[in-house]
Amino acid sequence: LAKTTQPISMDSYEGQEVNITCSHNNIATNDYITWYQQFPSQGPRFIIQGYKTKVTNEVASLFIPADRKSSTLSLPRVSLSDTAVYYCLVGDGPGSGNTGKLIFGQGTTLQVKP
Amino acid sequence: DAGVTQSPTHLIKTRGQHVTLRCSPISGHKSVSWYQQVLGQGPQFIFQYYEKEERGRGNFPDRFSARQFPNYSSELNVNALLLGDSALYLCASSLVVTGAYEQYFGPGTRLTVT
Repeated sequence: LAKTTQPISMDSYEGQEVNITCSHNNIATNDYITWYQQFPSQGPRFIIQGYKTKVTNEVASLFIPADRKSSTLSLPRVSLSDTAVYYCLVGDGPGSGNTGKLIFGQGTTLQVKP
Repeated sequence: DAGVTQSPTHLIKTRGQHVTLRCSPISGHKSVSWYQQVLGQGPQFIFQYYEKEERGRGNFPDRFSARQFPNYSSELNVNALLLGDSALYLCASSLVVTGAYEQYFGPGTRLTVT
């Protein structure tokens, strides 16, 4: 599975847009990009998943350039409750025959300040 | 609908003892995975089960074992506990086993080994 690199930590203020970039230079053709959010002492929560271009849901947007060697998670107008660790994962997509094992890195700790 | 549930919430054991952790997946989910999360790190994959069969195993010693029951609930067993086994143990369930990157995590069991 492709290795990912993301910043260890980021700071932001309430109301700002936050962009967290993840590098995955060795991404394979059938790999999807998935982001999870984790609050302290809780299990990770699925945020968004994409393959190329842009994906948007009620929580976030995911931007993936044409070469797919990086991706950017965008959180609009963050609040204090968005303070959490954000993980970028890359791996085989649905139906690929993979076991679905998730490989987490250290993630990005986002601190939102008032 | 209830999410993934895990029991117990917290557990304190002594080195050399054995521990059993339990997980009930979301209704209708047939795949259950176990992860270990040491403080300050991302979750590490331990096992995945689907339809009562082991479908994936992470890089953990044989002291770790698991099983899945006909009702799709699962147990994680750890023998001969070491101090380094102290961690948050997370269970995740998903509808499918292949390429299932949208997994639903429980709140975890906090295991402390003294």
